[in-house]
Amino acid sequence: ELKVEQNPLFLSMQEGKNYTIYCNYSTTSDRLYWYRQDPGKSLESLFVLLSNGAVKQEGRLMASLDTKARLSTLHITAAVHDLSATYFCAVVVSGSARQLTFGSGTQLTVLP
Amino acid sequence: NAGVTQTPKFRVLKTGQSMTLLCAQDMNHEYMYWYRQDPGMGLRLIHYSVGEGTTAKGEVPDGYNVSRLKKQNFLLGLESAAPSQTSVYFCASSYSDRQPYEQYFGPGTRLTVT
Repeated sequence: ELKVEQNPLFLSMQEGKNYTIYCNYSTTSDRLYWYRQDPGKSLESLFVLLSNGAVKQEGRLMASLDTKARLSTLHITAAVHDLSATYFCAVVVSGSARQLTFGSGTQLTVLP
Repeated sequence: NAGVTQTPKFRVLKTGQSMTLLCAQDMNHEYMYWYRQDPGMGLRLIHYSVGEGTTAKGEVPDGYNVSRLKKQNFLLGLESAAPSQTSVYFCASSYSDRQPYEQYFGPGTRLTVT
């Protein structure tokens, strides 16, 4: 059974600071997704990481994937208040329908 | 192009009542999924479908049934609602044959069972 663990679960940080969210998964997978969710809203896709060593960046967010370590990171650079949200990683279960197994999420609060 | 839509947005049920949640997508996706999200947790897969007329169980299927009679629609049914089914339900869809097989999510249905 695939398990996906994120840490930290809660993160409060000052504007302008850097921080990293970690996503560990327990079995081999060929792709990993990062999503953002604002309170009461649906999930917004941020990144899709398809191979070992993949790195993607969008604005102040950068995601990377190490398939050998079964680890993905989401790095936040110079945080701003607008980044406050819950961030989920999700890993594909090897199978016909590419089902996703989600981490528990990291609730990020950026303080002014 | 509406993407993935869900009906209704909110619903309150009494224990033992039944209801059906409707998910519709206009992207001609083959795969469709139903998830539930409970406070402090990630989404968990209830059922999924790889095409019209096919369904399969996910991680937490008990107490739910699904049907996919048309490619664009995926219905989630609760035959006898229980308080443990209070949750936010998300539908998603994706292509079967186009990288990166990204899932597109609907806006969610907030269900309360009293």
